[in-house]
Amino acid sequence: EAGVTQSPTHLIKTRGQQATLRCSPISGHTSVYWYQQALGLGLQFLLWYDEGEERNRGNFPPRFSGRQFPNYSSELNVNALELEDSALYLCASSLGTSYNEQFFGPGTRLTVL
Amino acid sequence: AQKVTQAQTEISVVEKEDVTLDCVYETRDTTYYLFWYKQPPSGELVFLIRRNSFDEQNEISGRYSWNFQKSTSSFNFTITASQVVDSAVYFCALSELSGSARQLTFGSGTQLTVLP
Repeated sequence: EAGVTQSPTHLIKTRGQQATLRCSPISGHTSVYWYQQALGLGLQFLLWYDEGEERNRGNFPPRFSGRQFPNYSSELNVNALELEDSALYLCASSLGTSYNEQFFGPGTRLTVL
Repeated sequence: AQKVTQAQTEISVVEKEDVTLDCVYETRDTTYYLFWYKQPPSGELVFLIRRNSFDEQNEISGRYSWNFQKSTSSFNFTITASQVVDSAVYFCALSELSGSARQLTFGSGTQLTVLP
């Protein structure tokens, strides 16, 4: 069974641009979570989607947004990129909302120049 | 608010030594889950264990064992007879089940280096 996949592996942008990161969950999983792992800041929760709806978001500005598609894949969009957005962005999926064992993808390394 | 503390930033041991990684958590919920994840140099977080707040039974899986003590709000992880392949960053995490929160709150991680 395929695990969580993320694309692209690496992404290089310049300040002010927009970045789009993609995630495909494990088959059968309906919940997708996004986390940011920035140097020195640890793993921080960004967004949670389930059944196409945003269920919760972390303490990040509105320029971090996303969506979940009918096939449960998800997209994270970061607008007006800032240097401090450089980080590893990890996507995780889980079976619905009550069973919250989360399985992670390999991440997208975003570098903002 | 929930919080996870991993006081050990870095640990270095020699192969075959036993090592314990500490994790202390804070939560107001009575129902919650605790997790351990491993992050090797490749970056992908690997799930190791999940424990719910009603189950204080210790668990052993091969060389890994976990000690959950609600009285001290701790969920420690021991690797017996460590191997070089155990070198990684280990994260403890907490998830509350009340309200709309399902996300994981992570500790800052412990970098474990196992020397040959």
